[in-house]
Amino acid sequence: QQKVQQSPESLIVPEGAMTSLNCTFSDSASQYFAWYRQHSGKAPKALMSIFSNGEKEEGRFTIHLNKASLHFSLHIRDSQPSDSALYLCAVSGRGSALGRLHFGAGTQLIVIP
Amino acid sequence: AQTIHQWPVAEIKAVGSPLSLGCTIKGKSSPNLYWYWQATGGTLQQLFYSITVGQVESVVQLNLSASRPKDDQFILSTEKLLLSHSGFYLCAWSLSGVEQYFGPGTRLTVL
Repeated sequence: QQKVQQSPESLIVPEGAMTSLNCTFSDSASQYFAWYRQHSGKAPKALMSIFSNGEKEEGRFTIHLNKASLHFSLHIRDSQPSDSALYLCAVSGRGSALGRLHFGAGTQLIVIP
Repeated sequence: AQTIHQWPVAEIKAVGSPLSLGCTIKGKSSPNLYWYWQATGGTLQQLFYSITVGQVESVVQLNLSASRPKDDQFILSTEKLLLSHSGFYLCAWSLSGVEQYFGPGTRLTVL
């Protein structure tokens, strides 16, 4: 059974700071890795995803994957108060399990103006 | 453009009462559909998935059932609610099976 763990549980950063969120997983056969953002009382929204080792940048957000270390991360450059939310990482399996997404418990991010 | 609608927005129900939650996807043909549950302060868990009309696979046993009566409709139900069923129920769709998009959710409180 896939285990997905996030760290830290919560994070408070000043506006303009670089924020780093971490996610570890247990199944080395996992093929899809994603970050979602969830504002209080709302549905999660997909932020970024990656399939292969390396990193991908979209605007202020960068996702980095290291399959050998069973770890991926999300980096937010120039953090803004509007980035304050619960960040969820998600991992899927291969083949027929590709639609099976396993989520971490989340990192609560607060960006102070 | 695709739209996903969930009903009701919120429900307050008594323990032991029946429940039916619905989800409709418009603008996408034959999507994969998913039901998720998130207890307050808890982890988002996938409950069911459906690849086609009439076929639903259970992922987690929570004394709930799901059905897909039409290509664009997914229903979550139970005949007898438990206190532990309280939480946020989310429907999601996907064409690829991986990138999943969530509906607005239904907040359920069981008293």
